[in-house]
Amino acid sequence: AQSVTQPDIHITVSEGASLELRCNYSYGATPYLFWYVQSPGQGLQLLLKYFSGDTLVQGIKGFEAEFKRSQSSFNLRKPSVHWSDAAEYFCAVGARVTDKLIFGTGTRLQVFP
Amino acid sequence: DAGVTQSPTHLIKTRGQQVTLRCSPKSGHDTVSWYQQALGQGPQFIFQYYEEEERQRGNFPDRFSGHQFPNYSSELNVNALLLGDSALYLCASSLEGAKGYTFGSGTRLTVV
Repeated sequence: AQSVTQPDIHITVSEGASLELRCNYSYGATPYLFWYVQSPGQGLQLLLKYFSGDTLVQGIKGFEAEFKRSQSSFNLRKPSVHWSDAAEYFCAVGARVTDKLIFGTGTRLQVFP
Repeated sequence: DAGVTQSPTHLIKTRGQQVTLRCSPKSGHDTVSWYQQALGQGPQFIFQYYEEEERQRGNFPDRFSGHQFPNYSSELNVNALLLGDSALYLCASSLEGAKGYTFGSGTRLTVV
């Protein structure tokens, strides 16, 4: 079955600390992988995506993610978190670039000053 | 360049009623997908429209139907509303063969 697991429901970090959000997927074929961010009451903004090639991808707002096929993971990282990064983060997987996306349940990030 | 526009932003309906949500895709996009996001959950795929036809469908009952117009805009219709249909409904547009979606800000539907 196709699925995405985000093991951490809620993460709290101090401003300036590093961040890693975990994402594991189960997919029959080579997946297209995405990370989205959602502020309260808002839609989804694409942070980064992986289709092929270099397994370390850079996104907007200083985020990066690494695709590890052997671990079926696509973890999101940021070296120094800002208070404005507080939001809900969703990992998603699809079969091709505009196929339906399967989302994880999200990780809520809280940032303390 | 306008992104994806959804209307209305909020609405309240009574159980058993019918509702229509609207989506205008980003300029240049020809594919529209709809997602349902219940409170505290990730979005779930409802269906996708391309060339005015439903191309893919998620695990949603027939009460959920849609339409795509020649200008690529789309509607999502839900009949016989249930309390469990209360959610944020997201529209996402894309260009066939291109890389990725653009999401709208959603319509918050509350069924009472």
